[in-house]
Amino acid sequence: EAGVTQFPSHSVIEKGQTVTLRCDPISGHDNLYWYRRVMGKEIKFLLHFVKESKQDESGMPNNRFLAERTGGTYSTLKVQPAELEDSGVYFCASSQDGSGILGETQYFGPGTRLLVL
Amino acid sequence: GDSVTQMEGPVTLSEEAFLTINCTYTATGYPSLFWYVQYPGEGLQLLLKATKADDKGSNKGFEATYRKETTSFHLEKGSVQVSDSAVYFCALRHTGNQFYFGTGTSLTVIP
Repeated sequence: EAGVTQFPSHSVIEKGQTVTLRCDPISGHDNLYWYRRVMGKEIKFLLHFVKESKQDESGMPNNRFLAERTGGTYSTLKVQPAELEDSGVYFCASSQDGSGILGETQYFGPGTRLLVL
Repeated sequence: GDSVTQMEGPVTLSEEAFLTINCTYTATGYPSLFWYVQYPGEGLQLLLKATKADDKGSNKGFEATYRKETTSFHLEKGSVQVSDSAVYFCALRHTGNQFYFGTGTSLTVIP
């Protein structure tokens, strides 16, 4: 079974440009999550999809970030326009059951390393 | 709010040394606690978890015990190997579906 995949693995862009990150969850997983790790700091939650609906987007930093999950399969996270402080590693995770069972496992992708110059 | 504090790295150990990575948390009620590991070039992988007080999670020789009285979930391994070199993240999950992670601790094991 394929794991969570993310594309691209690395992205280097200039301030003011637009970048789109993609996440393909494990097949059959209705729940998809985005997280971000800024250099040297903790991994922080951005948002949670259940199928194509945004269940919780309380972690999105501002309106320059737009996440979509059309059709309830893969998801994209667009940053427009990118700022220097957006640099970091963006992780995607998926899970089968997001019913709130606290021990449920989320499966993480390898992350996309974004550098904004 | 909920948060996790873990031991800052980097940590460098010789092979077969004893490992402890400290993790404490702040949360109301009874969160579930996790250790995730990220090997070079790979995604985060669940290493072990504990869902209630006094539970011990274990996997691949690693152990951590959920201590409610000290709000801790320290990671231990009796004899580390070079292949254990990775970044280790402590995390909690409380109400809702999001995780709260620590800053990560980088471990390097030298032969």
